[in-house]
Amino acid sequence: AQTVTQSQPEMSVQEAETVTLSCTYDTSESDYYLFWYKQPPSRQMILVIRQEAYKQQNATENRFSVNFQKAAKSFSLKISDSQLGDAAMYFCAYRILYSGAGSYQLTFGKGTKLSVIP
Amino acid sequence: GAVVSQHPSRVICKSGTSVKIECRSLDFQATTMFWYRQFPKQSLMLMATSNEGSKATYEQGVEKDKFLINHASLTLSTLTVTSAHPEDSSFYICSARDFRGNTEAFFGQGTRLTVV
Repeated sequence: AQTVTQSQPEMSVQEAETVTLSCTYDTSESDYYLFWYKQPPSRQMILVIRQEAYKQQNATENRFSVNFQKAAKSFSLKISDSQLGDAAMYFCAYRILYSGAGSYQLTFGKGTKLSVIP
Repeated sequence: GAVVSQHPSRVICKSGTSVKIECRSLDFQATTMFWYRQFPKQSLMLMATSNEGSKATYEQGVEKDKFLINHASLTLSTLTVTSAHPEDSSFYICSARDFRGNTEAFFGQGTRLTVV
């Protein structure tokens, strides 16, 4: 079974600074996707970034980037130039790659609550 | 991006009654929908996978008779919490996947259920 571990229940960052959220996972699969989702106080889940395991290049979306270390099964999220609107719960998630209805099931970590200090 | 609408956003019901939560894909067809439960300050736990026109697949430990899932069309799945008890109070979230391509599932806004 796949597991996703986020070891930082809470983090804080000064506005405009950079913060890195950690995530490790365990799987026996070689092809899979990894994600970071943001859940603000509204509780709406928002996809922040996606990484395909077969791609060596780290995914980047504007101020958000990841450090994907496949051998170490590590997938950290870096938020640059932090903004007040970045304050939220951040969930790391995993799903396998192959097709089929069940393959889109996501396994989530426990989340990291990020606070942004003005 | 695609929109998934979940209704109601909040519901309070009496213990012993049933409550239905709807999950609609507004601008795409969803062959697969997922239902999650989220306890306060915790992660999302998958309850069941719903495929249009067939029976839902429940995760281990989820009572099928208590959490009835119906996916009668490509745009609508419903979760009915039957004979609700206070311990069923939680945040329920659905997500739906567009079958046309390799896109990720989109999440609804969630439903806060309180059983009194």
